[in-house]
Amino acid sequence: NAGVTQTPKFQVLKTGQSMTLQCAQDMNHNSMYWYRQDPGMGLRLIYYSASEGTTDKGEVPNGYNVSRLNKREFSLRLESAAPSQTSVYFCASSERGEDTEAFFGQGTRLTVV
Amino acid sequence: QKEVEQNSGPLSVPEGAIASLNCTYSDRGSQSFFWYRQYSGKSPELIMSIYSNGDKEDGRFTAQLNKASQYVSLLIRDSQPSDSATYLCAVNMNFGNEKLTFGTGTRLTIIP
Repeated sequence: NAGVTQTPKFQVLKTGQSMTLQCAQDMNHNSMYWYRQDPGMGLRLIYYSASEGTTDKGEVPNGYNVSRLNKREFSLRLESAAPSQTSVYFCASSERGEDTEAFFGQGTRLTVV
Repeated sequence: QKEVEQNSGPLSVPEGAIASLNCTYSDRGSQSFFWYRQYSGKSPELIMSIYSNGDKEDGRFTAQLNKASQYVSLLIRDSQPSDSATYLCAVNMNFGNEKLTFGTGTRLTIIP
């Protein structure tokens, strides 16, 4: 079972470049999330999507855009990368309702130079 | 005020002792509460979930929830070196708001 798959695993960008982080889940979950994790900061929510066709801002949305392409896929785009966006990015998915265990992808380590 | 707060630690506990991890949350509408464990360089993995006031036990782990005090805790009995990790508290409002919010995590070290 694949679960939540993120690509790429590692990426180095130059300041000002753009890129899209891809995420797909095969568990038929309605909710999907993008988090960033920095040392000492825990997981900070960037954007989330409660269902196909809806997206909402989280705690740190500035500098990012998202697309919920379909129920399976939720992408995160950096239009003009900045060194402050150097981080580890996690995608997660969960079912709606009480039993909302979130399953995580393996993470993307992004460095912006 | 952060929505979910944890002591960042580090917390050091002797092997075999009880480790106690605490978490408070700000939104009284929160319905679901989770504890995740994250080893260095790895993804978070769920170890406990709790939805009702009181205690929930699973092996060496016990989650405790007090909605009136907006407080959730995790106890690890008979701590093992393999329990050394960062523990993340997460809170979800449910019922149409699927915003899953995490605390900053507590780094736990079990001393042999």
